[in-house]
Amino acid sequence: EAGVTQFPSHSVIEKGQTVTLRCDPISGHDNLYWYRRVMGKEIKFLLHFVKESKQDESGMPNNRFLAERTGGTYSTLKVQPAELEDSGVYFCASSHGRAYTFGSGTRLTVV
Amino acid sequence: DQQVKQNSPSLSVQEGRISILNCDYTNSMFDYFLWYKKYPAEGPTFLISISSIKDKNEDGRFTVFLNKSAKHLSLHIVPSQPGDSAVYFCAAQQGGSQGNLIFGKGTKLSVKP
Repeated sequence: EAGVTQFPSHSVIEKGQTVTLRCDPISGHDNLYWYRRVMGKEIKFLLHFVKESKQDESGMPNNRFLAERTGGTYSTLKVQPAELEDSGVYFCASSHGRAYTFGSGTRLTVV
Repeated sequence: DQQVKQNSPSLSVQEGRISILNCDYTNSMFDYFLWYKKYPAEGPTFLISISSIKDKNEDGRFTVFLNKSAKHLSLHIVPSQPGDSAVYFCAAQQGGSQGNLIFGKGTKLSVKP
């Protein structure tokens, strides 16, 4: 089966700009998660979708982050406007059971 | 405050020897624990897991031990191979299969030929 696909793999943007990250989960996985890893730190939970509904968004840093999951398929994470501290690697994961499958991540650099 | 702690940022072992990676947690409500392996520029890959009702789970060269009273788990790799060199993340989960994973900071394992 195809894995979790994320794009772009890298993005460099200026402070104040907008960036949209996309995640295509494994087909049939109702659960979709976004995580972020800031350099050298732990991988931190951002939010969780079950199909198209947000199950838990307690990890979202602030209202500059907006996540959507269209029709319960792919998901987007928009950062607007981006700040320097938003730099990091953003991982998407999907699951059917308790073990998640992660994508390769999007490395976001805000300069 | 970190609920999952991996206190060793790095570990170096000789090929063929045992690698032991450690993880401590604080939340007694965690009921499932997982280990992920991560290579540079890739996402974490699931390695092995254990339910809180067990104290050991084995899969080939990988064994995870859980000590609930000490809130401690460990991953043993025997024998270690150079291809095992990666960052290993411990993760914990509560609330069933939809609960989100709480990760430690990771331990970078280097296996020297």
